[in-house]
Amino acid sequence: DGGITQSPKYLFRKEGQNVTLSCEQNLNHDAMYWYRQDPGQGLRLIYYSQIVNDFQKGDIAEGYSVSREKKESFPLTVTSAQKNPTAFYLCASSPRLAGDTDTQYFGPGTRLTVL
Amino acid sequence: AQSVTQPDIHITVSEGASLELRCNYSYGATPYLFWYVQSPGQGLQLLLKYFSGDTLVQGIKGFEAEFKRSQSSFNLRKPSVHWSDAAEYFCAVAPPGYSSASKIIFGSGTRLSIRP
Repeated sequence: DGGITQSPKYLFRKEGQNVTLSCEQNLNHDAMYWYRQDPGQGLRLIYYSQIVNDFQKGDIAEGYSVSREKKESFPLTVTSAQKNPTAFYLCASSPRLAGDTDTQYFGPGTRLTVL
Repeated sequence: AQSVTQPDIHITVSEGASLELRCNYSYGATPYLFWYVQSPGQGLQLLLKYFSGDTLVQGIKGFEAEFKRSQSSFNLRKPSVHWSDAAEYFCAVAPPGYSSASKIIFGSGTRLSIRP
């Protein structure tokens, strides 16, 4: 089955530790995205990548880092510099970046809790 | 500034009743419009989207939405809800011809509860 997988589903970390969230897609999509979701708020874009070895900061990139070494993978690292990392993190991908019918497909999410 | 507003934080309707979720946007031109649904603890699933053409858009799971330029609205409707429709619903807008995810704006969501 084609889709986007995120692991783990739940993640607990101590304050001050870096943590990496996994996102893999087998849809052969070029673009991938990371969003953060907090209760009562919409999604906020952290980073996105249009092609392999290239990525751009979104609206709330501070305290986060990403890499895009493979087309199917876009891991997100939440660093100790992120002031309030506890949140629900969503990964998405889209088949191409330019065009009128781009649609983003979302993974199931990872809930990160920092203790 | 561009924005999207979902005025209702939480709505409860009876099973079998009709549903309308409101979405208003502020944009310089007619944007691309989307509705997504999110079940608890899950990712988002696209229900429908409007880019151009017929202002009444049909989506999955029996949902439809109508784009009204004069009201800057894109309300989501369903004639008869099912218990499985209980979820969070997000409206989103993007500039026409957008080619970057950084330009997509999501509303804050409306949580739908279904009364048996």
